Amino acid sequence: QVQLVQSGAEVKKPGASVKISCKASGYTFTRHYVKWVRLAPGQGLEWVGLIDPGDGAINYAQEFEGRVTMTRDTSTSTVYMELRSLTVGDTAIYYCARVAAPSTWYDRLDPWGQGTLVTVSS
Amino acid sequence: EIVVTQSPGTLSLSAGERATLSCRTSQIISNIYIAWYQHKPGQAPRLLIYGGSSRATGIPDRFSGGGSATDFTLTISRLEPEDSAVYYCHQYASGPFTFGQGTRLETK
Repeated sequence: QVQLVQSGAEVKKPGASVKISCKASGYTFTRHYVKWVRLAPGQGLEWVGLIDPGDGAINYAQEFEGRVTMTRDTSTSTVYMELRSLTVGDTAIYYCARVAAPSTWYDRLDPWGQGTLVTVSS
Repeated sequence: EIVVTQSPGTLSLSAGERATLSCRTSQIISNIYIAWYQHKPGQAPRLLIYGGSSRATGIPDRFSGGGSATDFTLTISRLEPEDSAVYYCHQYASGPFTFGQGTRLETK
């Protein structure tokens, strides 16, 4: 079945960087965009950005431009999200999610990864 | 940016009742670009409705979506205790792809 499995929880200090992985299985990895979404305490879901695993093209939310980098490894069907210059405000659960329809980013997200908790604390 | 506003923030209803969750977008969008997700603590968000009114695979027909232009709804008929969760409305008509703040549903 289609599945996204994320790396484990991380604890970082302010100013540090974190890199989260999201391994896909059960479908043709290069045909579906992957989006990253985060859920901060007391907040709603927030879109971080997206990557086309086919050619590596990216589109980041303006709020994260300059601090985030999304990459992919087609040999392992894995996408990565690195977030730099962390602040306590970046404490959140980070989810990767597959865009359900192939070759477009204008579609629903299904399925989602299980989430990766990133805690930023001094 | 399309702002998505959900109401109410919290809803408390009894099992067997009907829940109506609202979602308003700051711009007119086609309902084909509206999805609803159910999120329970410790779990991944789960797709319920996409294209405004299409149920995702395995979603019971107690869940239905509707609306148009800037006003959309998720209706859950015959509430069950396991429906307790936070429900998010999502627009994917244009980037940035925004979500509402969520409606927390408590089923007593």
